Amino acid sequence: NAGVTQTPKFRILKIGQSMTLQCAQDMNHNYMYWYRQDPGMGLKLIYYSVGAGITDKGEVPNGYNVSRSTTEDFPLRLELAAPSQTSVYFCASSYSGRSTYSNQPQHFGDGTRLSIL
Amino acid sequence: AQTVTQSQPEMSVQEAETVTLSCTYDTSESDYYLFWYKQPPSRQMILVIRQEAYKQQNATENRFSVNFQKAAKSFSLKISDSQLGDAAMYFCAYRSASAGANNLFFGTGTRLTVIP
Repeated sequence: NAGVTQTPKFRILKIGQSMTLQCAQDMNHNYMYWYRQDPGMGLKLIYYSVGAGITDKGEVPNGYNVSRSTTEDFPLRLELAAPSQTSVYFCASSYSGRSTYSNQPQHFGDGTRLSIL
Repeated sequence: AQTVTQSQPEMSVQEAETVTLSCTYDTSESDYYLFWYKQPPSRQMILVIRQEAYKQQNATENRFSVNFQKAAKSFSLKISDSQLGDAAMYFCAYRSASAGANNLFFGTGTRLTVIP
């Protein structure tokens, strides 16, 4: 089972460059998420999506954009890379229902290590 | 906003012994989940155990168990019969149980070393 697949695994960018981090899930989950993990810290939510065509900001959205045209894919775009965006990026997905305690645990990809120089 | 605090940056345990990792959290909600995630050097985030706040019984998964104290807002993880493969970063996380709740709030992690 593939689960959540992220590409690439590693990338080095120059300041001001742009790139897209890819994320795909094959579990038919309605929710998808992007987190970043800075050294020595826990994960922080950048953006999330509750379904195709619907996205919303998390805790740290500045400098990023997302889109969700299909249930399976949730790419994260950096338009003007800055050194502060050096981090490990995790994509996750889950199923969330319409009632309290209907949320299922999030499944994570293996992460993308991004360095901005 | 919800906050999750892990006050032990590093812990170590002898192989086959028991270790407890601490976690406290702050919330005004009554319905929520708590999780422990394991992150080995491979960087994967692996769900170890979860607890629903309405359940009084502490969750158990094989060698992993929790001590959930709702009034004290405490959620510790006990690892019994520690194995070398348990060495990793462990993150405590909180999530609202409201329908559609979207965010996991993470602590800063505890690095567990297992000594052979």
